[in-house]
Order: sequence, then structure tokens, then C-alpha cells
Amino acid sequence: DAMVIQNPRYQVTQFGKPVTLSCSQTLNHNVMYWYQQKSSQAPKLLFHYYDKDFNNEADTPDNFQSRRPNTSFCFLDIRSPGLGDAAMYLCATSGPWSGETQYFGPGTRLLVL
Amino acid sequence: AQTVTQSQPEMSVQEAETVTLSCTYDTSESDYYLFWYKQPPSRQMILVIRQEAYKQQNATENRFSVNFQKAAKSFSLKISDSQLGDAAMYFCAYGESFTGTASKLTFGTGTRLQVTL
Repeated sequence: DAMVIQNPRYQVTQFGKPVTLSCSQTLNHNVMYWYQQKSSQAPKLLFHYYDKDFNNEADTPDNFQSRRPNTSFCFLDIRSPGLGDAAMYLCATSGPWSGETQYFGPGTRLLVL
Repeated sequence: AQTVTQSQPEMSVQEAETVTLSCTYDTSESDYYLFWYKQPPSRQMILVIRQEAYKQQNATENRFSVNFQKAAKSFSLKISDSQLGDAAMYFCAYGESFTGTASKLTFGTGTRLQVTL
């Protein structure tokens, strides 16, 4: 089945130690999104890729970076994780038009020690 | 900036009964999209129903329907004949409508729905 896959499902890192989260998709969608979802809060969009074009949200900290080497894969890099970065990170994809349904992965739960 | 408000943090419904989840939003745009997404425990978020603001007719998907009141900026979700599998966190989301852009969403804080026997 076509889907959005996130690895790992759980990630433990140390304070200040860089970490990379992975997302892949078999839907061949143009757009890939990264959301941060803290406990009992709404998912918050960090950035998205429209094909190779990177679009950062204005309030996303510089500590968060992303790479999209090809259509299928997108990575979220946290350069120096702080305790406040502990959250669920959701990857989603959609087609190219506004209003299209987003398809979500299962998320990666990040714990920072 | 657009905001989405879900005023019911938790709701409970008995199996086979009907429940309505509330959502209001704020925007100055006339064209946009609205969504309800469902996030079951430890499982991925999936689309429940989608509404285009320019359409007056309320969207329906099987047991799920919406009451879209554009003037009031209200977008409630009605679940009929509730099933145990409907238990989940439900998020209301607002989608921008701009030509040639991605489908950026603003989510509400969610309503946790419990379904009891």
C-alpha cells in the first residue's frame, strides 16, 4: 500500500547531540511537511518542501533543518536538541495544490535526556 | 494569521449514539478549506472529511457529516451511529487556498472522543 513511513518510531537523544529523523513516501507526492506536536497540543508546521523548494515557517527555530535528497525521502535534523524539543514529529505529504488532503506518517517520538 | 479553536477538550458518546464536535476558526479570506482529521492512539492521523469553503453543501462521508456555517465561521463534525473504533483525538484544521502553493494547515488543539459501551 502507498504510504508515509517514519523511522525510527522512538528516538532518544542527549541534550545537545544532533539527531536526524527520517520520512519516506510511496505516494510520489510533490509536497512533504514536518510538524512538531507536543503533548496535548495541536501539530505545528515547522517547514515544508514543494518539490526541491524549501519553505520555512517564520517561527521555526534555526536549530531545525531539513533535507530532501529526492522525491521519496525527507529528513528532519535537529542540530542541538534541547529539553523543549521533546515531542512527536509528524511527517506528511500532499499533492501540489492548496486544499489537498495531507497523508501522515505514524510519527517519531523524540525524547531528550 | 488564521486560528482554529476547538472548545471541547474531551467528549464522550455511547456506542450507536450521535455526537457533535465543535470547531470555530478565524480568517479574513473568502476561499479556503476545512478538514477534520482523526488521530487514534498510537496510530497515524487520517482524514475524516474535507469541506471547500466555496461550496454551500455540507460534506458527508458515510457516518460522518459536517455543519459548515461560513458566516459564523463554524465547522462542526457529527458522528452518527458511533462505534468503538471512532475513539480518537479529532483535530479540526484550516487550509489556505492560494494558487500554486502547498496545502498548509493550521490545526486546532483537538477533542478527545471516548466511545463507551
